[in-house]
Amino acid sequence: EADIYQTPRYLVIGTGKKITLECSQTMGHDKMYWYQQDPGMELHLIHYSYGVNSTEKGDLSSESTVSRIRTEHFPLTLESARPSHTSQYLCASSEWEFYNEQFFGPGTRLTVL
Amino acid sequence: GESVGLHLPTLSVQEGDNSIINCAYSNSASDYFIWYKQESGKGPQFIIDIRSNMDKRQGQRVTVLLNKTVKHLSLQIAATQPGDSAVYFCAETNFNKFYFGSGTKLNVKP
Repeated sequence: EADIYQTPRYLVIGTGKKITLECSQTMGHDKMYWYQQDPGMELHLIHYSYGVNSTEKGDLSSESTVSRIRTEHFPLTLESARPSHTSQYLCASSEWEFYNEQFFGPGTRLTVL
Repeated sequence: GESVGLHLPTLSVQEGDNSIINCAYSNSASDYFIWYKQESGKGPQFIIDIRSNMDKRQGQRVTVLLNKTVKHLSLQIAATQPGDSAVYFCAETNFNKFYFGSGTKLNVKP
């Protein structure tokens, strides 16, 4: 069982609200990732980090932002949520050397009304 | 972006039979090719991977085959069990990024 946690698991909010999705891992992994996944569809990388103070954008354009102030914590923020942001958001982490093996959190299912 | 596609979006097999899930990829520069299992309401779970310089790797009840000539990846599950029912994704990575396919749903009939 991977030690990576996401909160909240489910979130329903109104348009225009600011939200932060939390992701924490206790494995000491340097690399962390955020993916967006629509039901039954592939995962799209939206942000990743090599370590503290490192953040990079993924291939899928996203209006979200991330920060990496501590190794274990990689929160994702939406300044103004819109219905198009409705999706599942998955956080993952991996070791620097064994980057091929990602460990995923349970996901946050976000619905924006 | 990279393209990782899957054949057969839904696969139904009888319990005890072997399952084969296929995947096509497009990036020859990837270091690893990986299979994930995703159960309903959960995040993907790593099953097995294969390095780009290999053509076969075996795990417990699972085997991954890599054919670089036709850019094809497959996952074989031996003696499929009800607990194997899930969506399976292939992915490829070159250290910086991961590219996922759209998933194959495996239904195991008792």
